[in-house]
Amino acid sequence: KNQVEQSPQSLIILEGKNCTLQCNYTVSPFSNLRWYKQDTGRGPVSLTIMTFSENTKSNGRYTATLDADTKQSSLHITASQLSDSASYICVVTTSGGSYIPTFGRGTSLIVHP
Amino acid sequence: EAQVTQNPRYLITVTGKKLTVTCSQNMNHEYMSWYRQDPGLGLRQIYYSMNVEVTDKGDVPEGYKVSRKEKRNFPLILESPSPNQTSLYFCASSSHDRRAEQYFGPGTRLTVT
Repeated sequence: KNQVEQSPQSLIILEGKNCTLQCNYTVSPFSNLRWYKQDTGRGPVSLTIMTFSENTKSNGRYTATLDADTKQSSLHITASQLSDSASYICVVTTSGGSYIPTFGRGTSLIVHP
Repeated sequence: EAQVTQNPRYLITVTGKKLTVTCSQNMNHEYMSWYRQDPGLGLRQIYYSMNVEVTDKGDVPEGYKVSRKEKRNFPLILESPSPNQTSLYFCASSSHDRRAEQYFGPGTRLTVT
């Protein structure tokens, strides 16, 4: 069964600090992996997308990495801001058959001043 | 402005009373989908549509119906809502490319008593 596991479940950091969120997946065959940011009560917004051949992708202070061999991804946030407080969701999509993405349960990040 | 709209945003209803949540996108996207989000479970796909008149079940289709008569609209129908369908619902759309960004609507918070 396709699964996406994220860790930690929640994280509290101080403003200005860096943090790294983890995503492990067992989805096969692999097409792409996305990271989304979801503010409370709002729809997810895409941060990065990576295919099999890409091992790093940046979007401002967000940098995602992908190791397709170990089926692991990370999202690194640099110099955190209060507005980074949100849930971060890892989503993996298959390359064959029906187009049903597999979502992780998300990591809830709180940035304190 | 490119967007996905959902209506209503909030709905409280009673068990068994049929309801429809509308979803519309103005980006000429072929692919549309519905998700529900519950605490601790993350986003789960209910139904998706690859194009007009083409719909398919996601992970949790029981108790839901959809239709895709026009490219821009993808309504979600609950024929006989039950309390276990109390949830936060999101509609999303994207182009056919599996790498394309998926745009999410603002969400509909449904409570079934």
